[in-house]
Amino acid sequence: AQSVAQPEDQVNVAEGNPLTVKCTYSVSGNPYLFWYVQYPNRGLQFLLKYITGDNLVKGSYGFEAEFNKSQTSFHLKKPSALVSDSALYFCAVNKGNDYKLSFGAGTTVTVRA
Amino acid sequence: GAGVSQSPSNKVTEKGKDVELRCDPISGHTALYWYRQSLGQGLEFLIYFQGNSAPDKSGLPSDRFSAERTGGSVSTLTIQRTQQEDSAVYLCASSPGTGREQYFGPGTRLTVT
Repeated sequence: AQSVAQPEDQVNVAEGNPLTVKCTYSVSGNPYLFWYVQYPNRGLQFLLKYITGDNLVKGSYGFEAEFNKSQTSFHLKKPSALVSDSALYFCAVNKGNDYKLSFGAGTTVTVRA
Repeated sequence: GAGVSQSPSNKVTEKGKDVELRCDPISGHTALYWYRQSLGQGLEFLIYFQGNSAPDKSGLPSDRFSAERTGGSVSTLTIQRTQQEDSAVYLCASSPGTGREQYFGPGTRLTVT
């Protein structure tokens, strides 16, 4: 079985401050990890993924994520948040080359001006 | 290039009626997925198609739900005898293959009255 936990329902930060959205996972074998963002009334947009290689992964819109195998975490980060980053963020995992993604419950990010 | 498209964008139907939701995946993508996103909740996997293989229907919540994919491209999700608990956003995604990132359509918002 595989699962994802996003421990925070909501994250609030001021514009210009660092943004972190937490994600921990559980999977047997090597994980494939993904972050998606959903803006209001829109579908999910792919941000970044980790499959192998460097633990620090860079993605779209200035986001990055760090894979930590010992802590089974894949936290999403942005050094300086923008108001336009306000959205719903989902972490997802699957096992190796499996096709079925397991999504976290999502974290609502609000960036205040 | 063109992304995943879904139609209709919104559908309001009376309880007991049948509905059909359509998904046009990205050209060349062999894998196609349907998810359901209920208000304030994460994504629930419904069904997966990969090429000409038998689909994985393990996520379909009841036998009122069915889906088909014609010619390895367009997919239709059918809900028979709709119930109020079927109200949700239905998301379609496609990917170039297993283990790869999924690209989502804008979704169909279904409201059963």
